[in-house]
Amino acid sequence: AQTVTQSQPEMSVQEAETVTLSCTYDTSESDYYLFWYKQPPSRQMILVIRQEAYKQQNATENRFSVNFQKAAKSFSLKISDSQLGDAAMYFCAYRYSGGGADGLTFGKGTHLIIQP
Amino acid sequence: GAVVSQHPSRVICKSGTSVKIECRSLDFQATTMFWYRQFPKKSLMLMATSNEGSKATYEQGVEKDKFLINHASLTLSTLTVTSAHPEDSSFYICSAIGLADYNEQFFGPGTRLTVL
Repeated sequence: AQTVTQSQPEMSVQEAETVTLSCTYDTSESDYYLFWYKQPPSRQMILVIRQEAYKQQNATENRFSVNFQKAAKSFSLKISDSQLGDAAMYFCAYRYSGGGADGLTFGKGTHLIIQP
Repeated sequence: GAVVSQHPSRVICKSGTSVKIECRSLDFQATTMFWYRQFPKKSLMLMATSNEGSKATYEQGVEKDKFLINHASLTLSTLTVTSAHPEDSSFYICSAIGLADYNEQFFGPGTRLTVL
């Protein structure tokens, strides 16, 4: 069974600075997707970025980028120019892509605090 | 993006009663819907996968008779918590996958269930 580990329960960063959230995973599959979701106090899950395992190029979305190391099974999220609105819980998630529509396996989350 | 709604957003019930939670895809047809459970300050745990017109697939450890799932149409899935007890109190979140892309799950805003 696959597992997702987020070892940082909480991270704090000054506004406008850069922060990196860590995520490691374990799977025996070769075809999968990795995701970072943001959950603000409203509890609405928001997709931040996703990475297909077969792609070597790291995904980027504006201020958000990932460092995907497939051999090391590592998938970190870098947030540049942190803004107050980035404060939220961030969840790393995994989905096997070889079997059709599978659900997500989530890590325990990292609470990101933005200091003004 | 696609919109998923949940109703009700909050529900309080007495121990022993049953509660139904609806998950609707408002502007797309959802071939598959997922139900997750989130404890306070915890991660999301996949409970079951629901496909239109067929029986739901439950994750290991989830009681099928306790959590009844029905996916009667391509836009509606329901989760019924039967004979609810205080330990069933939690935040329940659904997500849906459309016909076009299995890899993007659209999340509902969640339902907070409190069992007294």
